[in-house]
Amino acid sequence: AQSVTQLDSQVPVFEEAPVELRCNYSSSVSVYLFWYVQYPNQGLQLLLKYLSGSTLVKGINGFEAEFNKSQTSFHLRKPSVHISDTAEYFCAVSGKGAQKLVFGQGTRLTINP
Amino acid sequence: GAGVSQTPSNKVTEKGKYVELRCDPISGHTALYWYRQSLGQGPEFLIYFQGTGAADDSGLPNDRFFAVRPEGSVSTLKIQRTERGDSAVYLCASSLGGVNTEAFFGQGTRLTVV
Repeated sequence: AQSVTQLDSQVPVFEEAPVELRCNYSSSVSVYLFWYVQYPNQGLQLLLKYLSGSTLVKGINGFEAEFNKSQTSFHLRKPSVHISDTAEYFCAVSGKGAQKLVFGQGTRLTINP
Repeated sequence: GAGVSQTPSNKVTEKGKYVELRCDPISGHTALYWYRQSLGQGPEFLIYFQGTGAADDSGLPNDRFFAVRPEGSVSTLKIQRTERGDSAVYLCASSLGGVNTEAFFGQGTRLTVV
């Protein structure tokens, strides 16, 4: 079984500042890792995913995440945020070969001008 | 269609009533998933279909919940004898199938049991 912990329920940052959203997971098997974003009144949208290979994964809208197996982490980063990045961000994990996703509780990112 | 469509977008029902929530996946997607998102929580897996069959229903909370996908396209999530604790946003997603394919989510149905 897998579980995901998003360490911050809310993260406020100023526009153009860097941001890191933290995600830790636990699993007894090898995993795939995902970050989804949910903009207000919209469905979940995939930002990026780690399946294998390079541990630094680049996604849409300038986001990237790094898979750290020893620390069981998959933190999401962006060097400079915009007002339009205001949303809820979810980290998710699936066991390799499995179809279902296990989500964290989400981190609400608020961008202040 | 252009994306995953879920109807209705909002549903208010009385405790004890029966409800059906519909999901119309992206055309050609063989895999379909239902998740439930309670307030302040991340989505929680309910059931996964590959084609017409439920490949994994381990997330259904009890026997009041049932889902079907008779023709391998549209799916219906059915909840009997609704309880106030069933209030949540019910999300549907679809994908081409296979472990590396992206799941596309609908906007969800907000169910409120009063």
